[in-house]
Amino acid sequence: EVQVLESGGGVVQPGGSLRLSCVTSGFTFSSYPMSWVRQAPGKGLEWVSTISKSGGSTHYADSVKGRFTFSRDNSKNTLYLQMNSLRAEDTAVYYCGKREYNDSSGSYYDYRGQGTLVTVSS
Amino acid sequence: DIVLTQSPATVSLSPGERATLSCRASQSVSSYLAWYQQKPGQAPRLLIYGASNRAAGIPARFSGSGSGTDFTLTISSLEPEDFALYYCQQRSNWPLTFGGGTKVEIK
Repeated sequence: EVQVLESGGGVVQPGGSLRLSCVTSGFTFSSYPMSWVRQAPGKGLEWVSTISKSGGSTHYADSVKGRFTFSRDNSKNTLYLQMNSLRAEDTAVYYCGKREYNDSSGSYYDYRGQGTLVTVSS
Repeated sequence: DIVLTQSPATVSLSPGERATLSCRASQSVSSYLAWYQQKPGQAPRLLIYGASNRAAGIPARFSGSGSGTDFTLTISSLEPEDFALYYCQQRSNWPLTFGGGTKVEIK
């Protein structure tokens, strides 16, 4: 059974940093691209970033580009989202997801964890 | 960025009724569109990918259609567990974008 467990959220002041982790099990981690999406309280979904199987290729939403870094450790089946220069608008629940399908355009992801809440506030 | 507009924002229906949810893209996304279901306190669950392909384990009452700029998610006969939020998402262009969501509520 595929499992993902996000952690690392918490309360941080504006301008601060946090590192989120996503520990996975139940599948061959190194064979799958992965993704983060987030959801601000009471708001809709926002895609944050995706990473290739090897970690050599990443894409970011404009809202986090230059501040967030998505990485993976395939030996530990774990993803990391390093978040720097945090802003109030980064306050959200962050979910990690696994590629479930792909077509000629790319990957489609499913999100199975409970998420981790990041609150940016002074 | 590609903007996805979902309508209606909320639809009130009874169990057993048919739900028709719309997603319109600001430019063509071909068939590179997904639908997700989200229940309170839960992660989004992939229902449909490639506009019309059901994900594994998704009941046959869920179907997706459309291409280009206009897409539809249909739930043929609502079950109690289907009352939730639904989002479309395009993966034609970076950045990936989501629609604002449609809430299917019990009438």
